[in-house]
Amino acid sequence: KNQVEQSPQSLIILEGKNCTLQCNYTVSPFSNLRWYKQDTGRGPVSLTIMTFSENTKSNGRYTATLDADTKQSSLHITASQLSDSASYICVVSGGLSGGYNKLIFGAGTRLAVHP
Amino acid sequence: DAGITQSPRHKVTETGTPVTLRCHQTENHRYMYWYRQDPGHGLRLIHYSYGVKDTDKGEVSDGYSVSRSKTEDFLLTLESATSSQTSVYFCAISSIARERNSYGYTFGSGTRLTVV
Repeated sequence: KNQVEQSPQSLIILEGKNCTLQCNYTVSPFSNLRWYKQDTGRGPVSLTIMTFSENTKSNGRYTATLDADTKQSSLHITASQLSDSASYICVVSGGLSGGYNKLIFGAGTRLAVHP
Repeated sequence: DAGITQSPRHKVTETGTPVTLRCHQTENHRYMYWYRQDPGHGLRLIHYSYGVKDTDKGEVSDGYSVSRSKTEDFLLTLESATSSQTSVYFCAISSIARERNSYGYTFGSGTRLTVV
């Protein structure tokens, strides 16, 4: 079964600290992996996208890594800010069926950054 | 989000009534999608459209129908709303097919629907 599992479910950190969010997937075949940020009451916004051949991608203070062999990804946030408080969603494109890949969404990690 | 709007943003309706949610885009993108988001679950695809009058079912399509009579509008209808359809509904658009790399996958701000 194609699945995306994220951990932890929620996380609280102090402003200025770093944190790492985890994503494990069992999607096959694999096409790409995306991280999205979703602010409360808003739709998800893309942070990074990585294909099979990429093992790291940065977007400002956000750095995503991908290990396609172990089917794991992480999102590292450096020097957190209050505005980083949001849900972070891991999304895997794959599971080819009928000529189309699906987008398979994790349930997200809810991050709260406290002053 | 710029280029995609959903209406209404919030709606409360009674069980058994029909409800229509609207997604409007100004990007002239070919592909449009409806998702629902529930606590503890990832977004799940309800229906999608790959062109005017071309639609197909997603993984949770039961109880929902869609229509796309113009490129810019994609409507989601709950024929007879049930409490299990209480959720946040997101529309998304993309310029190319899902199977290819796409940064151009943009979500709307969502519609919070409560069925009482």
